Amino acid sequence: SQKIEQNSEALNIQEGKTATLTCNYTNYSPAYLQWYRQDPGRGPVFLLLIRENEKEKRKERLKVTFDTTLKQSLFHITASQPADSATYLCALAKAAGNKLTFGGGTRVLVKP
Amino acid sequence: NAGVTQTPKFRILKIGQSMTLQCTQDMNHNYMYWYRQDPGMGLKLIYYSVGAGITDKGEVPNGYNVSRSTTEDFPLRLELAAPSQTSVYFCASSAHGTGSGYTFGSGTRLTVV
Repeated sequence: SQKIEQNSEALNIQEGKTATLTCNYTNYSPAYLQWYRQDPGRGPVFLLLIRENEKEKRKERLKVTFDTTLKQSLFHITASQPADSATYLCALAKAAGNKLTFGGGTRVLVKP
Repeated sequence: NAGVTQTPKFRILKIGQSMTLQCTQDMNHNYMYWYRQDPGMGLKLIYYSVGAGITDKGEVPNGYNVSRSTTEDFPLRLELAAPSQTSVYFCASSAHGTGSGYTFGSGTRLTVV
């Protein structure tokens, strides 16, 4: 069966360092991979989308990589700030499909 | 722009009761979705719609129904509420389906007792 795995353990990181989150998937051939941020008690907020034919995407201090051979995406937050503390969700979708499937999320805590 | 608006924000239902969760968006998006999120878990797709008059089942549709009579509105109906339906429900919309980012509402926290 299809599986999307994110590290369920919280990532504690010092302010100013780079946080790196992993999203692994099995039995899946996604055309799109998306990353969201979710704060407690709020809905997810879209951050970045990367397509299967793209290796890397950047937006301000965020960088996403997509390796279809390893079946893995890495999400980097550079120069992390306490305001980056949140849960980050990855989500995958097949081409010509209408279903975006989410991983369980990884909580990030940036300490001053 | 208001984006995606969900009402109510909180609700307590007794077992066997019914209710409708409201969702409306003002971005003229054709695609709309309902997800549920259980504590510490990812979001699971309940139903989705690719346009007015068109709906389809997601991963966990049992116990729920939807309708899409307008582009703006996508209500979710719970019939005969059960404790297993205790969850946080999120409505979302997107301009180009899974090929574009989703805009989520702020959620409805539902407890069935």
